[in-house]
Amino acid sequence: NAGVTQTPKFQVLKTGQSMTLQCAQDMNHNSMYWYRQDPGMGLRLIYYSASEGTTDKGEVPNGYNVSRLNKREFSLRLESAAPSQTSVYFCASSDSPTGYEQFFGPGTRLTVL
Amino acid sequence: LAKTTQPISMDSYEGQEVNITCSHNNIATNDYITWYQQFPSQGPRFIIQGYKTKVTNEVASLFIPADRKSSTLSLPRVSLSDTAVYYCLVGLYSGGGADGLTFGKGTHLIIQP
Repeated sequence: NAGVTQTPKFQVLKTGQSMTLQCAQDMNHNSMYWYRQDPGMGLRLIYYSASEGTTDKGEVPNGYNVSRLNKREFSLRLESAAPSQTSVYFCASSDSPTGYEQFFGPGTRLTVL
Repeated sequence: LAKTTQPISMDSYEGQEVNITCSHNNIATNDYITWYQQFPSQGPRFIIQGYKTKVTNEVASLFIPADRKSSTLSLPRVSLSDTAVYYCLVGLYSGGGADGLTFGKGTHLIIQP
């Protein structure tokens, strides 16, 4: 039982390049989330998916797209990376009635030059 | 969306009990209160959740007064490994809605020998 896994762990991009961050969970959770965390800051919600087939914007969605591929997988895509997107990205999943018991992945550290 | 206020940082010593208070003056009737712990280079980890009075688990206790305008996370007999950032979240999660999924800057707890 791996919980929430994320790939890659580290990535360096040049401005304008694109990439997709992958996230998968094996806990059969309905809801999945993508957050970013900048140095010294808390987490900010980018997008979330309440259930398979649905996605919604969070607090900071600009510059990102997501795909809920199936119940297990939720990917985050940067179409044209910018230095302001340098951050640590966390994926999480949840299935608690109040939604707040989220399980987080180990994170992807992204640097955009 | 209930806003939360926590101390930016706190210091304590091994073996002491630590209490971290979170203010949430505009908490709504259906809001739950949730606390997370985050170590450097890791995703947050769920600690405890409550609605009113007192909740206790193997890790911590959560005290919520009758007016629910604040809550206190209590960590008994802390050790060096409890050094981390602690986040208080307050909000309603309804069927996948992201209300309240804002982590803020949290409280940086430093435990000294």
